[in-house]
Amino acid sequence: KAGVTQTPRYLIKTRGQQVTLSCSPISGHRSVSWYQQTPGQGLQFLFEYFSETQRNKGNFPGRFSGRQFSNSRSEMNVSTLELGDSALYLCASSFGQGNSPLHFGNGTRLTVT
Amino acid sequence: GNSVTQMEGPVTLSEEAFLTINCTYTATGYPSLFWYVQYPGEGLQLLLKATKADDKGSNKGFEATYRKETTSFHLEKGSVQVSDSAVYFCALSDLPGNTPLAFGKGTRLSVIA
Repeated sequence: KAGVTQTPRYLIKTRGQQVTLSCSPISGHRSVSWYQQTPGQGLQFLFEYFSETQRNKGNFPGRFSGRQFSNSRSEMNVSTLELGDSALYLCASSFGQGNSPLHFGNGTRLTVT
Repeated sequence: GNSVTQMEGPVTLSEEAFLTINCTYTATGYPSLFWYVQYPGEGLQLLLKATKADDKGSNKGFEATYRKETTSFHLEKGSVQVSDSAVYFCALSDLPGNTPLAFGKGTRLSVIA
């Protein structure tokens, strides 16, 4: 079965712009989580959506937001981009209950200039 | 707060050598603990997990034991192979659905024949 798909793979944006990243989970998965990966901070949890509701949230400013659609696909939006937002953004999906493992996508590489 | 500290890499070993990657955590409650692995060119995937104290997770010859008294979850393998070359991440979760909340910065392992 198809894995977690993230689009686009690469993005280049300018400071002050906004960006939307997309994540299509594995069929049947209802939970989608987002992470930011940078060389300095490593992997940091952004937020998790489960059945169209934000269930958990990390310590990121309000410029980072997301949503989940009825088909479990999720989008993440970053407004007023800063240079420090340059990172690999990873999405992961799971059934979201019990001990179901997360399945990660290959990420979207965002570069802010 | 919740955090994970794992040994810095890179680690280079000869085939059939013994591997230990140290991981310690800080958490307010009783989290679940995970090791994730990222093989070259692939996404992160769950290697093993433990959900309570003294549990041992195991997979593909790797093992890790949840030690509450030392707040540790060290990864071990008795005899590494070239195919084990990857980046290993320790993680914890105290969230519903076991969504990883905090990751270590990753340890790159290279195994040479």
